[in-house]
Amino acid sequence: KAGVTQTPRYLIKTRGQQVTLSCSPISGHRSVSWYQQTPGQGLQFLFEYFSETQRNKGNFPGRFSGRQFSNSRSEMNVSTLELGDSALYLCASSFGTGMGYNEQFFGPGTRLTVL
Amino acid sequence: QQQVKQSPQSLIVQKGGISIINCAYENTAFDYFPWYQQFPGKGPALLIAIRPDVSEKKEGRFTISFNKSAKQFSLHIMDSQPGDSATYFCAASKDSGTYKYIFGTGTRLKVLA
Repeated sequence: KAGVTQTPRYLIKTRGQQVTLSCSPISGHRSVSWYQQTPGQGLQFLFEYFSETQRNKGNFPGRFSGRQFSNSRSEMNVSTLELGDSALYLCASSFGTGMGYNEQFFGPGTRLTVL
Repeated sequence: QQQVKQSPQSLIVQKGGISIINCAYENTAFDYFPWYQQFPGKGPALLIAIRPDVSEKKEGRFTISFNKSAKQFSLHIMDSQPGDSATYFCAASKDSGTYKYIFGTGTRLKVLA
């Protein structure tokens, strides 16, 4: 069974640009969550999508947005990049049925560097 | 109230020793407490998880101890091995089936051969 895949793995952008990151969940998983990981702030929750609807949102500015497609693949967009957006962006998928506690499987992440 | 405090920040243990990592939380609504292991260049992987109605859970060399009244939980790695050298994160979630995890700041474990 293939794991969570994220593309691209590495990305270099300059301030002011925008970026789109992609995540393909494990087959059958309908929930996709995004996290930002930095040395200073650790792992911080961005948002969660379930069946194409945003179900949870963390405390990030509106420059961070996402969406989920009917095949459960998800994209995350960051507009007007700032230096502080440099981070490892992790995607995690799960069945997300809401019944019980479902394990989240993380992808390898996309390393974004903003110059 | 949403924070999960994790300690120590780093830990060095001899091979065969016991590694202990502690986490504390404030929000009593949290009802799911997973531990993740992360190797460099990889995403976090779930090690073991516990609910508040259980005081201890063991899976192989990994044990979670949970103290509901103290709002603390800890990860014990028995017979630590060099291959256990990684960063460990505790987390807490308050809604069953939703995945707004609050993560601890991580503990970098090094097991000496």
